[in-house]
Order: sequence, then structure tokens, then C-alpha cells
Amino acid sequence: GAVVSQHPSWVICKSGTSVKIECRSLDFQATTMFWYRQFPKQSLMLMATSNEGSKATYEQGVEKDKFLINHASLTLSTLTVTSAHPEDSSFYICSASVGLTTDTQYFGPGTRLTVL
Amino acid sequence: AQTVTQSQPEMSVQEAETVTLSCTYDTSENNYYLFWYKQPPSRQMILVIRQEAYKQQNATENRFSVNFQKAAKSFSLKISDSQLGDTAMYFCAFMKHEYTDKLIFGTGTRLQVFP
Repeated sequence: GAVVSQHPSWVICKSGTSVKIECRSLDFQATTMFWYRQFPKQSLMLMATSNEGSKATYEQGVEKDKFLINHASLTLSTLTVTSAHPEDSSFYICSASVGLTTDTQYFGPGTRLTVL
Repeated sequence: AQTVTQSQPEMSVQEAETVTLSCTYDTSENNYYLFWYKQPPSRQMILVIRQEAYKQQNATENRFSVNFQKAAKSFSLKISDSQLGDTAMYFCAFMKHEYTDKLIFGTGTRLQVFP
């Protein structure tokens, strides 16, 4: 089956630093990738939709300048949390869709970010 | 705007028994997709089952089946012969039947399977 990886699986950083999270589709090309945020015991909240070669579409309330998304190739999307603060601590999950439609999505294992 | 509601925050079931998780949604769309995703303690999201709204037949996947009631906007998940490995968070999700669109998740139901 289609596999999506995320790196790192967990990261601890100091307040004010930037952190980059990678999302890779290992055995398929993903035109569209999605980035979610999940707080403990809560549902997934879509942050942005990322299309290869174009600017990401951010959901209302998500700061574009804080959460930088780059989808430079059909197998890699990155999420950079800039000037991280403790309130950015969360579980970040990406998903990638197979083909040109988004009804079939495969999820990465997630990245736990802790900002001290 | 579409919304997905899961009214059962927690459910429990004994091993080998059957349990049904509820989901309702609100949409003005006529054609769309509905999904059930499982998130075990590892937090890896796993697709359990999907239903296309234009198909009247309820989807089934082994021990998992849905009861899709389009008029009532209801989409429940039945798990038969529950196993310990079914312990997880279960999320109901909606997606419009468009070229590209996003998943809208419900708040989730935590299912605990007891031996």
C-alpha cells in the first residue's frame, strides 16, 4: 500500500527557534498534501492544503508567516514552524492524496513537537 | 458549511461483541464521500471504510460495516466480533465529491475493547 513518512517523529526545541517537519510519499507521487494539527484528545484540524509547485492554501485562522509550507516536489512537502512558542506544541500530521483527486488520502505517522 | 458530529465521546465493548459508533453530518451537497478513520495509540491514522453518497448499498470491510442513511444524514459504523486491537479513537469524516477537496473530521469516539 501507499506509504507516507514524516521526519522527525518527535522534536523538542527552544522557544524562538524554527523547526522543519518533512512529509514524504515513499512509493507514489502526491500532487496534493495536507497538514493537520492535533491537540491531545482532540480531532484533527486542517491547517493547509499543499499543491506541488504552487503556494499552499491555508485555513482560516492559520498564520501563513508562522507555518511555512513548501511542496517543492511530488514526493515531499515541508512544514516549518517559525519562531516557535510553547503554544505551538502539538502533534502535526500530514496526508498525501494519490492521483489528481483527493478522496484517497494516506496519512503519515505524525510528528510530536514540544517547544520549551 | 459542512459539519460532522459524533455524539459519543467514549464507548466500550467486550471482546467478540458488536458495537455501533454514531455519526451525523450536515451538508447541502448531494454527492460526497464519508469515511471512518481509526487512530490507535500509535496515532497513525488508518482508513477503516468509505462510502460514496450516490451508492445506496452500505459499504462493508470484513468486520466493519456502515449504516448509511442519506436522508437522515447519518453514517454509523458497526464493528462485529470486536477485538482488542480495535481499541482506538474513531473519526468520522466528510468530503465533498469534487476534483480536490478536504476532509472534515468529527470530534471522535474513543473505543475501548475489554477482554
